[in-house]
This record gives sequence, C-alpha cells and structure tokens, in this order.
Amino acid sequence: QKEVEQNSGPLSVPEGAIASLNCTYSDRGSQSFFWYRQYSGKSPELIMSIYSNGDKEDGRFTAQLNKASQYVSLLIRDSQPSDSATYLCAVKDAGGTSYGKLTFGQGTILTVHP
Amino acid sequence: DAGVIQSPRHEVTEMGQEVTLRCKPISGHNSLFWYRQTMMRGLELLIYFNNNVPIDDSGMPEDRFSAKMPNASFSTLKIQPSEPRDSAVYFCASSSIARNEQFFGPGTRLTVL
Repeated sequence: QKEVEQNSGPLSVPEGAIASLNCTYSDRGSQSFFWYRQYSGKSPELIMSIYSNGDKEDGRFTAQLNKASQYVSLLIRDSQPSDSATYLCAVKDAGGTSYGKLTFGQGTILTVHP
Repeated sequence: DAGVIQSPRHEVTEMGQEVTLRCKPISGHNSLFWYRQTMMRGLELLIYFNNNVPIDDSGMPEDRFSAKMPNASFSTLKIQPSEPRDSAVYFCASSSIARNEQFFGPGTRLTVL
C-alpha cells in the first residue's frame, strides 16, 4: 500500500511569515512529486512539481525534495491571507504501467492570519 | 486554453435514481482520472483511463458505479442506483503521459437525498 503522509494541521502563521508544509512518502521508487492548493469549495490546483533532489523555486513558493529521506516540502515565503487553503502533496506511482497515477496525501490546512 | 470541463456542476437526486456525471479532458491529454472527495475520506481515486482504455478500477466502491470513455474527448461516470452515502464532490482530471501533471476540473457536487 503506497502511502503519502501529511500533517493535517491546521497550520497557522502570521502574515509575512514563512509557511512550511511537509510530506513523506513510502514508495522509494517514486520520481515525480507535486503540490496542489485547494481553496474551500474549489478543485485542486497544481502549484509546483519537482523531479530532482534539491530546491525548486517559483515566485514565493519553494519545493524541496530529498529522495533518500523520502521527504518533500513546500515553503511559502511572505505568506498572505490569500494563501489560506488546503495543500495536497501528490506522488506519482513508480513503475512503467502506472500511466501517471498519483497518490495524494490527506492535505494540510494552512491559515494565514493578518 | 480550455481546462477540464465537467457537467453538471451540481446534482441533487433522490435515492435509487440514476446519476450520470460527464467530463471533457484537456485536448491532447491521454490519461483521465475520476476522483471522489469527502471530508471523511479525502480525495479517492475511483478509476483511470489511458488512451480511452480503463487501466485500474480498483477504487470503484461497488458495482453500482461504472465509467466509460468512448473517445478521447469524453468520459462518463454513472451511479445506478444512487444512495445517500454517494453524496460527495466528484472530480475529473486529465494529464499527458509525458508530463504526469494532472489538471482538475471544477467538480460535480452530488447530493443524494
């Protein structure tokens, strides 16, 4: 059973702070990792993808990947109230026949307060 | 570019009725996924297709659920007969094999009374 684990939160940070969201996964062969943001009542929206060890930056977002530790994180710098949402970590199943199947974590609720 | 299109956006029906949810994937994508989301169980993968062929339907809860993809631009998820415990938001997502990034439609909120 492939698993993706996230702290459900809620994670509360003040406006302007750095929010750190963490995710661990069980499938050691996984090669592709994604972060989705889901506002209440809306569909998941892809915000970051990462495939190699290290950091990947996109605006205020930085994804970090450590395959040896089977750990993925998302940092949000200068957090804004509009960042308040549920953040879902997703991991592509290893194996050539998975056809892009993703395993999702339960999500971390982030609240940014003014 | 148009994203994933789902219809209807909201569906309210009575127990025992047939429900059909529809999805149009992003043009050029060759993988399509049906998910169900509830507060209790989170986001669950029901079934997915590659090049219109069902690959894995192990997430379909029971025989009352069926899904088809007759061509590259259309898929349906049918529940017959529906039950109150089927009430949830149903999402369709599509991706290309090359990128594996899944893009979600707006979802269908189903309420079974």
